[in-house]
Amino acid sequence: AQSVTQLGSHVSVSEGALVLLRCNYSSSVPPYLFWYVQYPNQGLQLLLKYTSAATLVKGINGFEAEFKKSETSFHLTKPSAHMSDAAEYFCAVSGSEYLSSSNTGKLIFGQGTTLQVKP
Amino acid sequence: NAGVTQTPKFQVLKTGQSMTLQCAQDMNHEYMSWYRQDPGMGLRLIHYSVGAGITDQGEVPNGYNVSRSTTEDFPLRLLSAAPSQTSVYFCASSYFMGGTPETQYFGPGTRLLVL
Repeated sequence: AQSVTQLGSHVSVSEGALVLLRCNYSSSVPPYLFWYVQYPNQGLQLLLKYTSAATLVKGINGFEAEFKKSETSFHLTKPSAHMSDAAEYFCAVSGSEYLSSSNTGKLIFGQGTTLQVKP
Repeated sequence: NAGVTQTPKFQVLKTGQSMTLQCAQDMNHEYMSWYRQDPGMGLRLIHYSVGAGITDQGEVPNGYNVSRSTTEDFPLRLLSAAPSQTSVYFCASSYFMGGTPETQYFGPGTRLLVL
């Protein structure tokens, strides 16, 4: 079975500092990986996704993530944090074992990481 | 485009009551799904559908029913509410490409409190 582990339920950085949110996955097949962001009292919004093309994926709002198969990781980074980045971030996996005519698109989410940005 | 809409935004139920959470999308997406979000547990898939008339169970289906009579609507029914169903419920939709998972678009959520 596939799974996702996000290391650190809370991460706090200063404005302007590097943001690093960690995600490790477990999958017996090549995975598709996603990062979603949830602002307070809102639904989830896609930041970026990896679908076996380039291993370094650029997303919205200056975020990027690098797929490292040897480390089974898909960490999310941003060079300089803004106050507006404060939110909860979710890593999710959807592997090819799920991709059939009846069940494509099923996502397995990590537990989430709350990012706090201090002025 | 309204995207994915959910009603109600907030609901309080008593144990044993039933209710239906509504979800609609206007993007002509084939794939729709329901998740529940609980603190420290991320989002967990309840039920999903790959088209009208086709539904299947996700990770935590017990206590919930779904049906999909149209492409646009995917209601979630709580048959007999229990306090363990207190949660935030999200509906999502995406295109069905048959080979690569597409971006899922999420609704704003329904907060449910079961007393």
